[in-house]
Amino acid sequence: EIVMTQSPATLSVSPGESATLSCRATQSVSSNLAWYQQKPGQAPRLLIYGASTRATDIPARFSGSGSGTEFTLTISSLQSEDFAVYYCQQYNNWPPRELTFGGGTKVEIK
Amino acid sequence: QVQLVQSGAEVKKPGASVKVSCKASGYAFTGFYIHWVRQAPGQGLEWMGWINPNGGGTNYAQKFQGRVTMTRDTSISTAYMEVSGLNSDDTAVYFCARPRWTCGGDNCYGHWLDPWGQGTLVTVSS
Repeated sequence: EIVMTQSPATLSVSPGESATLSCRATQSVSSNLAWYQQKPGQAPRLLIYGASTRATDIPARFSGSGSGTEFTLTISSLQSEDFAVYYCQQYNNWPPRELTFGGGTKVEIK
Repeated sequence: QVQLVQSGAEVKKPGASVKVSCKASGYAFTGFYIHWVRQAPGQGLEWMGWINPNGGGTNYAQKFQGRVTMTRDTSISTAYMEVSGLNSDDTAVYFCARPRWTCGGDNCYGHWLDPWGQGTLVTVSS
């Protein structure tokens, strides 16, 4: 099983600043990584797939990078609506077998 | 538009079973798997498995094998996820989600999940 580890668990950022979130896999997943945003009481929302491709209607201030075992989600110029929990998810098998999520990073207002 | 609508909240006693539904609309139901993901209170996302509505094939996370059953009714574009032998650790919000993927040449890559259902809270309490 591929284990995904996110860091930090909590990130305190002031509005207008940028945030850098990390996700690490226990073995290479190539670029088969997605990022999601989740706000309290809501379902997760897809932000990024293929490690760096923004999903439909996702603002350009969200960017993803990395490959193999190390990935980064960067949120530039944080807006009030960006304070949420972010999860990474690997999908390294085809046909699809097991998906695994990271433990999440909470981005909170500093 | 593509939409997944789940059944309402449930309260169950330990040892009971619960069956959650996920009704799909806006696309060809048999053309896409349905994944199930759960989230315990204050915790992260935990993948449970998928069902292929075209034929009914399933794949469960090892943790849930023998206790979770995923089925579908193609006539009403609805997927179901049943958990048996409930205990307090099963108290969670259960989500269904439709996957997406991409293919190029001989290779395909996926699944990432979009959209998601609104979630169904299952509370296990005596």
